[in-house]
Amino acid sequence: ETGVTQTPRHLVMGMTNKKSLKCEQHLGHNAMYWYKQSAKKPLELMFVYNFKEQTENNSVPSRFSPECPNSSHLFLHLHTLQPEDSALYLCASSQKEGNTGELFFGEGSRLTVL
Amino acid sequence: TQLLEQSPQFLSIQEGENLTVYCNSSSVFSSLQWYRQEPGEGPVLLVTVVTGGEVKKLKRLTFQFGDARKDSSLHITAAQTGDTGLYLCAGALSFGNEKLTFGTGTRLTIIP
Repeated sequence: ETGVTQTPRHLVMGMTNKKSLKCEQHLGHNAMYWYKQSAKKPLELMFVYNFKEQTENNSVPSRFSPECPNSSHLFLHLHTLQPEDSALYLCASSQKEGNTGELFFGEGSRLTVL
Repeated sequence: TQLLEQSPQFLSIQEGENLTVYCNSSSVFSSLQWYRQEPGEGPVLLVTVVTGGEVKKLKRLTFQFGDARKDSSLHITAAQTGDTGLYLCAGALSFGNEKLTFGTGTRLTIIP
């Protein structure tokens, strides 16, 4: 496999469920990101990890919990979500050193909260 | 207030026509990228512009970075149905800054 892969592609969950989104990158990058894409809103940065260390938490509610066990894998653990959390969740990666912020995105996980 | 405003928000034109979409800001960016996102997919990087006044061409797509590095434009010549998608600009406020600011997007539809 190449690039950035995300699973599952689609997820429907109730407000009391616990689920996780997974992201894996095969590009040898050191930084990984979670973005939220909602209708009629710009892409919103949620979390950034550099070399497995979280460097950014963009005021994200605690019902979203990221995990980065190594520089190739990134998870987003979800619990007690709200219907307004329904969105496309995009994972991305980039090089850290000498980059100009270029991001390589996965195909996204479409989340629906009932 | 949006840091990066894109216009138009929606654009629908006939195949073969030319078009320009814009990305404007009051902030200065060290670099600016353009991405295209097709339905059901993640955004894909098209180009990065770094120098004020820079023009880059990618086949029928021409990208320009404003002299003051606050704005950018994307011009498509002889649009094709494969150009349909959501076009996103994204600016980096400093080199090596992992926080890209994304624009509001232009949804382009090319009618056969």
